[in-house]
Amino acid sequence: NAGVTQTPKFQVLKTGQSMTLQCAQDMNHNSMYWYRQDPGMGLRLIYYSASEGTTDKGEVPNGYNVSRLNKREFSLRLESAAPSQTSVYFCASSEKSSGNTIYFGEGSWLTVV
Amino acid sequence: AQSVTQLGSHVSVSEGALVLLRCNYSSSVPPYLFWYVQYPNQGLQLLLKYTSAATLVKGINGFEAEFKKSETSFHLTKPSAHMSDAAEYFCAVSGAAGNKLTFGGGTRVLVKP
Repeated sequence: NAGVTQTPKFQVLKTGQSMTLQCAQDMNHNSMYWYRQDPGMGLRLIYYSASEGTTDKGEVPNGYNVSRLNKREFSLRLESAAPSQTSVYFCASSEKSSGNTIYFGEGSWLTVV
Repeated sequence: AQSVTQLGSHVSVSEGALVLLRCNYSSSVPPYLFWYVQYPNQGLQLLLKYTSAATLVKGINGFEAEFKKSETSFHLTKPSAHMSDAAEYFCAVSGAAGNKLTFGGGTRVLVKP
């Protein structure tokens, strides 16, 4: 019963370093998402992928890139990390046949110093 | 375009008292509406969702929400709070044409014994 799995769970980066957050889902969903969560701001959409091979910008895409490697996997890359990217990142997936319900991973806590 | 406003970033209730969390939305298309709960250091879990069927929606853990189109509201209630209800609650809206969720800022619930 894995659902949405994301790694790593915790990461500390220095300003300017790069890293990739990995995400995989085993529910055969077409749509996948990356959100960031900051205190008092709810969750904000960074990028999403409506299907394999497509990606689109969300509300806060600057400083990030994504790759939809296949139907299961959707990675988020920070090319040059900045302190403003300190946040909790959530990967999620959904399928229209499930009534637009979005299922979330457990989160990745990222600190940029 | 769609947006969500949650009134009150923090709510304190006594154990056994009514829990009422307010959510107002705007959407240019008939909305799908969701309430998610987040326990400390965990991902988001679906509480309930409205998808244009019954306007009173029952969810898990004794929660329910009522869709009121005239008020553009989707308030969450629970008749009797339990200590285990202490968490952060997020209201979210999705347009019928797509799956992207827009979240409110969240309401943190504290339950006093």
